[in-house]
Amino acid sequence: GAVVSQHPSRVICKSGTSVKIECRSLDFQATTMFWYRQFPKQSLMLMATSNEGSKATYEQGVEKDKFLINHASLTLSTLTVTSAHPEDSSFYICSAKGLTYEQYFGPGTRLTVT
Amino acid sequence: SQKIEQNSEALNIQEGKTATLTCNYTNYSPAYLQWYRQDPGRGPVFLLLIRENEKEKRKERLKVTFDTTLKQSLFHITASQPADSATYLCALAQSPNTGTASKLTFGTGTRLQVTL
Repeated sequence: GAVVSQHPSRVICKSGTSVKIECRSLDFQATTMFWYRQFPKQSLMLMATSNEGSKATYEQGVEKDKFLINHASLTLSTLTVTSAHPEDSSFYICSAKGLTYEQYFGPGTRLTVT
Repeated sequence: SQKIEQNSEALNIQEGKTATLTCNYTNYSPAYLQWYRQDPGRGPVFLLLIRENEKEKRKERLKVTFDTTLKQSLFHITASQPADSATYLCALAQSPNTGTASKLTFGTGTRLQVTL
């Protein structure tokens, strides 16, 4: 199946700093990438949808100035959490979709803000 | 309001039996539905996709059914093994066009435990 990677897998940062998470589709071209957040014992919540070369579409309640998304190529999308605070600590997961229906997920990034 | 419910938070079954997980939805008209497996601390792994005009899909020991009248999908694992223990998520997409972004909305998940 299609492979999606994320980097880093874990990151700890101080409150007020910014963190960038990379999502790459390794063996297919992703026309669309999605970013999700998952809190403990809860399901995945979609944060934003990004198409290559265009601005991301954010879900209601997600601050676009706080969660910056860039989808610069058909294999790479980045999520930058700006001025992170402890409440931003969560498990962030990306997914990628090509021309078929299936979405393939990355392994996730555990963000801890101290 | 729109809702996706998976039958139970946890399901315990004995090795060798068939596990059946349920996904019910309200106020959706899904174009297709996907099932994923998620292990603790990991991203979901794609298992099966079934479209609105399909009744059943199979892959090895897995089988998915989709009943748009009942607004329900069933996910079966036959001859279950301890290695099948994980959380299983159903997800709905409403857009039928493969050329456009199709947002998935996830159910709450069912944690399956297969014991010896």
